[in-house]
Amino acid sequence: EVQLLESGGGLVQPGGSLRLSCAASGFTFSSYAMNWVRQAPGKGLEWISSISGNGGTINYADSVKGRFTISRDNSKNTVYLQMNSVRVDDTAIYYCAKAESTVTTRTGLDSWGQGTLATVSS
Amino acid sequence: DIQLTQSPSFLSASVGDRVTFTCRASQGISSYLAWYQQKPGKAPNLLIYTASTLQSGVPSRFSGSGSGTEFTLTISSLQPEDFATYYCQQLNSYPRTFGQGTKVEI
Repeated sequence: EVQLLESGGGLVQPGGSLRLSCAASGFTFSSYAMNWVRQAPGKGLEWISSISGNGGTINYADSVKGRFTISRDNSKNTVYLQMNSVRVDDTAIYYCAKAESTVTTRTGLDSWGQGTLATVSS
Repeated sequence: DIQLTQSPSFLSASVGDRVTFTCRASQGISSYLAWYQQKPGKAPNLLIYTASTLQSGVPSRFSGSGSGTEFTLTISSLQPEDFATYYCQQLNSYPRTFGQGTKVEI
């Protein structure tokens, strides 16, 4: 059974940093691209970043480019999101999600964690 | 960036109804569209990918169609567990944008 478990959320002041982790199990982690998607309270879904299975291809949404960094450690089956220079509007539940296919990233996200809440406030 | 516009934003329906909602892309995305269902307090769940392929384990009352810029998700007979918010996501290019959602209410 695929399991994704996020951690690292919490309260941080504007301008501060936070590192989110997502521990994966139940599948060959290094074969799948991983994504981070966030959801502000009461709002819709926002895709923010993805990383390929070997870590060689990375993409970001404009809203986080230059501030957030995605990475992965395939020896630990874990994907990370380093959040720097955070702003109040970064407050959201952050989900990690697994690509549906090993062959393409164009078939959606078929497994999601339960999410971790990051709150940016002074 | 590609914008996705879902309509309607809210839909009131009854158990047994056939419901259809739409996702329009600001530019062509071939068939690279996915649909998700999200219930309150839960993570999204993949229903359909590549516009019309039903994800394993998803009931057959869900179906998707479309290509290019216009896509639809249909629930043939609404069940109590289907009252949720539905999102489309384009996977043609980065950033992988989502629509704003359609909330299906009783």
